Amino acid sequence: NAGVTQTPKFQVLKTGQSMTLQCAQDMNHEYMSWYRQDPGMGLRLIHYSVGAGITDQGEVPNGYNVSRSTTEDFPLRLLSAAPSQTSVYFCASSSRRGAGDNEQFFGPGTRLTVL
Amino acid sequence: AQSVTQLDSQVPVFEEAPVELRCNYSSSVSVYLFWYVQYPNQGLQLLLKYLSGSTLVKGINGFEAEFNKSQTSFHLRKPSVHISDTAEYFCAVSRMDSSYKLIFGSGTRLLVRP
Repeated sequence: NAGVTQTPKFQVLKTGQSMTLQCAQDMNHEYMSWYRQDPGMGLRLIHYSVGAGITDQGEVPNGYNVSRSTTEDFPLRLLSAAPSQTSVYFCASSSRRGAGDNEQFFGPGTRLTVL
Repeated sequence: AQSVTQLDSQVPVFEEAPVELRCNYSSSVSVYLFWYVQYPNQGLQLLLKYLSGSTLVKGINGFEAEFNKSQTSFHLRKPSVHISDTAEYFCAVSRMDSSYKLIFGSGTRLLVRP
């Protein structure tokens, strides 16, 4: 198993550009989440999904869109990038099975810089 | 709502010394508790978790943590650290009914010196 994969690893955008961060998992996990990591603030939840076709907002959703058309993929879209979105983005997945034991598995991250 | 406080942003320690990284949480409902480690330029790896039962939880790499409900704490400890333990450590909580939504502390950077 590859686990959780993210592409690209690095990206530089100009203000106003759009892009999609890709996330895929091969563990057949129902749950997937996107977090951003900023210095001194830990990780904050952007959006999450409890299954294909179901998404919801987390703590910091503004400026981001998500969709979940398959169990495996959970892309994060920036429609109009802003410098405040410069961050490291992590995707995570976990299984609904084994209630109460939902360890989240994290991808390697995407480092995004918006100029 | 839940919140997590890691009071120490950085903890320097000499190799083979013991270390404790502090974590306090706030929640009006029962939660699960986690410690994650992040090595430089990598993703997060689960160190240990408390779901229920024994309040002393043992994890990977010789780390352990103790859940204290009355003090709402979940401090991480290791009796003897190695250079390779240098990393950032995150405490996190989740509600029992939505364990896929983690609330993280701001992190503690452990710096192990020779």
